[in-house]
Amino acid sequence: EIVLTQSPATLSLSPGERATLSCRASQTVDSFLAWYQQKPGQAPRLLIYGASNRATGIPARFSGSGSGTDFTLTISSLEPEDFAVYYCQQRANGVTFGPGTKVDVK
Amino acid sequence: EVQLVESGGDLVQPGGSLRLSCAASGFIFSTFAMSWVRQAPGKGLEWVAAISNRGTIISYADSVKGRFTISRDNSKNTLFLEMNSLRAEDTAVYYCAKDGRSAVAIYFLDQWGQGTLVTVSS
Repeated sequence: EIVLTQSPATLSLSPGERATLSCRASQTVDSFLAWYQQKPGQAPRLLIYGASNRATGIPARFSGSGSGTDFTLTISSLEPEDFAVYYCQQRANGVTFGPGTKVDVK
Repeated sequence: EVQLVESGGDLVQPGGSLRLSCAASGFIFSTFAMSWVRQAPGKGLEWVAAISNRGTIISYADSVKGRFTISRDNSKNTLFLEMNSLRAEDTAVYYCAKDGRSAVAIYFLDQWGQGTLVTVSS
């Protein structure tokens, strides 16, 4: 099973700041990496697929990069609605999710 | 508009059984792989099971293998999860989700239902 590790566990930032979230895989997942956002009481929402492709309707401030074992989700300038938990997910070998990174207000 | 509506969640005793349903609309259900994902209270997401568009390719997480069965009825645009021998650790919100690109496998999940709560407790 491929294990995904996300860091940091919590990221405390202010609106307007840049957020950089990391996802590391225990073995290569090529570019089969997706990112989701989840707000309290809501279902997850797809942000990025194929490591760097924005899903339909996702604002340009969200971007994904990386391949192999190291991936990054960047939010260029945090909006108030971006404070949430972010999960990465791989499908190279089975399907697994990372433990999540919570982005909260500093 | 794509809609996925789960139902069937309930309070059940350990060792009991439950069947979850997910009614799909707004897309051609028979052309996409589907999945169940769960989330225990206050915890992260855990993939549970996946099924190809025709129901011929099925996979499970090790934690539910042999106890849960995923199936689908394309004539009724409905996904199912039959859960047997339920344990306290199966307590979670169960989400139905649609794959974003494939008929046969899960790549990424582009549409999610709002979830249905399963509580396993005596």
